Amino acid sequence: EAGVVQSPRYKIIEKKQPVAFWCNPISGHNTLYWYLQNLGQGPELLIRYENEEAVDDSQLPKDRFSAERLKGVDSTLKIQPAELGDSAVYLCASSFSGSGTDTQYFGPGTRLTVL
Amino acid sequence: KQEVTQIPAALSVPEGENLVLNCSFTDSAIYNLQWFRQDPGKGLTSLLLIQSSQREQTSGRLNASLDKSSGRSTLYIAASQPGDSATYLCAVGGSGTYKYIFGTGTRLKVLA
Repeated sequence: EAGVVQSPRYKIIEKKQPVAFWCNPISGHNTLYWYLQNLGQGPELLIRYENEEAVDDSQLPKDRFSAERLKGVDSTLKIQPAELGDSAVYLCASSFSGSGTDTQYFGPGTRLTVL
Repeated sequence: KQEVTQIPAALSVPEGENLVLNCSFTDSAIYNLQWFRQDPGKGLTSLLLIQSSQREQTSGRLNASLDKSSGRSTLYIAASQPGDSATYLCAVGGSGTYKYIFGTGTRLKVLA
């Protein structure tokens, strides 16, 4: 079974440029999460989707960050414009919320460097 | 607001040693707790999940315990191996939500 797929794995951009990250969750998982992980820290939730609906986006900086999950499968996270402080790893995870275990499966992440 | 702390931040042990990693949390009203492993440049891999009604979970050489009343969980690794070298993160699931609050992790190095 394929795991959570993320692309690109690495991205280097100059500040004020836009950037987008893509995530394909595990087949059948209706819940999708985007996390931000700074160096030496644990992941912090940015947004959680239940199917197409964003049910928790309280931590998403909405002035520059946006996300979408069309058709309740793949998701895209966008930053526009990027700032130096956005350099981090962006992790996508998915789960089947009806399983009763809430185990989240993580992708390998996208490492963003803003110059 | 839930806060999760992991001690120690880093640990270096010789191969074969048994070791304990600690995780503490401030709000005992939790739904569950997960231990994850993260290898450099990789995503997180779930190791063990303990529901709030459980006291411990075991998988191979790993044993995780949960004491909600004291706000603590431990991950016990038996007979450590160099392949166990990684960062170990605990994540606390809030009661009634699917939101996980992560600790900052313990960076483990097992020396051959």
